[in-house]
Amino acid sequence: EVHLVESGGGLVQPGGSLRLSCAASGFTFSGYWMSWVRQAPGKGLEWVANIEDDGRTKNYVDSVKGRFTISRDNAKHSLYLQMNSLRVEDTAVYYCGRETPGGQVWLDYWGQGTLVTVSS
Amino acid sequence: SYDLTQPPSMSVSPGQTATIACSGDRLGQRNVCWYQQKPGQSPVMLIYQNNKRPSGIPERFSGYNSGNTATLTISGTQAMDEADYYCQSWDGSVGFGGGTKLTVL
Repeated sequence: EVHLVESGGGLVQPGGSLRLSCAASGFTFSGYWMSWVRQAPGKGLEWVANIEDDGRTKNYVDSVKGRFTISRDNAKHSLYLQMNSLRVEDTAVYYCGRETPGGQVWLDYWGQGTLVTVSS
Repeated sequence: SYDLTQPPSMSVSPGQTATIACSGDRLGQRNVCWYQQKPGQSPVMLIYQNNKRPSGIPERFSGYNSGNTATLTISGTQAMDEADYYCQSWDGSVGFGGGTKLTVL
């Protein structure tokens, strides 16, 4: 059974940094693209970033380019999101998701999410 | 991101058919995915590639995409279908619709 478990969220001041992790199990992690999607409180879904199965290609939404870095460790079956220069508007639940093959960024499995709160 | 528009809310009576629309520029030329999210839970994929259902998704959920509008249809709506529904597509960048809150009453 596929499981994705996020961790690393918390309260951080504007301008601060946080690193999110996503532990994957139940599938061949190294064979799938992975994504991060966020959801601000009471708002809709926003795709944040994704990474190729071997880690070579990474894509980001414009609002986080230069501040966030997605990475993965296939040996540890883990996905990461390093978030720097955090802003109040980055406050959200962050989900990791497994992408279906085909390059359309469809997420067939999601984690439970981890809450990031950026506030002074 | 790819801009997709959904009605913010809609309501349906139990047993009736609910149709949720998602519009975007030349959306019919793209592939669309639909997710269901219940309060306090993570999203669940309902439909991918316009009209395909992942295993375990009931047959009462179906999708269609043509022109500038994709639709998610829920036939014989049940109380358990009360949730937020999001469309998603890709046009060089990933876009989600704003979500539609479906009330079953």
